[in-house]
Amino acid sequence: AQTVTQSQPEMSVQEAETVTLSCTYDTSENNYYLFWYKQPPSRQMILVIRQEAYKQQNATENRFSVNFQKAAKSFSLKISDSQLGDTAMYFCAFMKPAGNMLTFGGGTRLMVKP
Amino acid sequence: GAVVSQHPSRVICKSGTSVKIECRSLDFQATTMFWYRQFPKQSLMLMATSNEGSKATYEQGVEKDKFLINHASLTLSTLTVTSAHPEDSSFYICSARAQTGFAYGYTFGSGTRLTVV
Repeated sequence: AQTVTQSQPEMSVQEAETVTLSCTYDTSENNYYLFWYKQPPSRQMILVIRQEAYKQQNATENRFSVNFQKAAKSFSLKISDSQLGDTAMYFCAFMKPAGNMLTFGGGTRLMVKP
Repeated sequence: GAVVSQHPSRVICKSGTSVKIECRSLDFQATTMFWYRQFPKQSLMLMATSNEGSKATYEQGVEKDKFLINHASLTLSTLTVTSAHPEDSSFYICSARAQTGFAYGYTFGSGTRLTVV
């Protein structure tokens, strides 16, 4: 079974600064998908960024980028130029290609301070 | 983009009654939908996988007779909490993946906050 670990329950960052959220996972699969989801106070889950394990290039979406280290089974999220609207819970998630279910980490609560 | 509509957003019911939560994919067909439960300040725990036209697959520890799932069409899955008790109070979220697969990732409903009094 896959496990996903987010070792930072809470983090804070000043507006306009950069913050990195950590995620590690454990799997015996060679091909899989990784995701970061954001859950703001509204509780709506929003996809932030995704990465296919067979791609060596790190995914980037505007201010959001990942550092995917397959050998280390690490998938961190970097948020640049943090904005107040980035305040939310962030969940790292894993998915096998053949399976449909997502396995979530415990989440990191990010507070962006003005 | 893919949209999942979940209703109701909030519901309060008396202990012993049943509550139905609907999850609809509005602009895509979803052969598979997922139901999660989220306790305050915790992660999402998968309860069951809802398959169109067949029985749902429940995760270990989830009572299938208490949490009835029906996936009668490619756009609708329902979760019925039967004989609800206060310990069933929680935030329930559904999600679906478009048939075209990974490109869409997963889309989540806006969740239902259930309070059993």
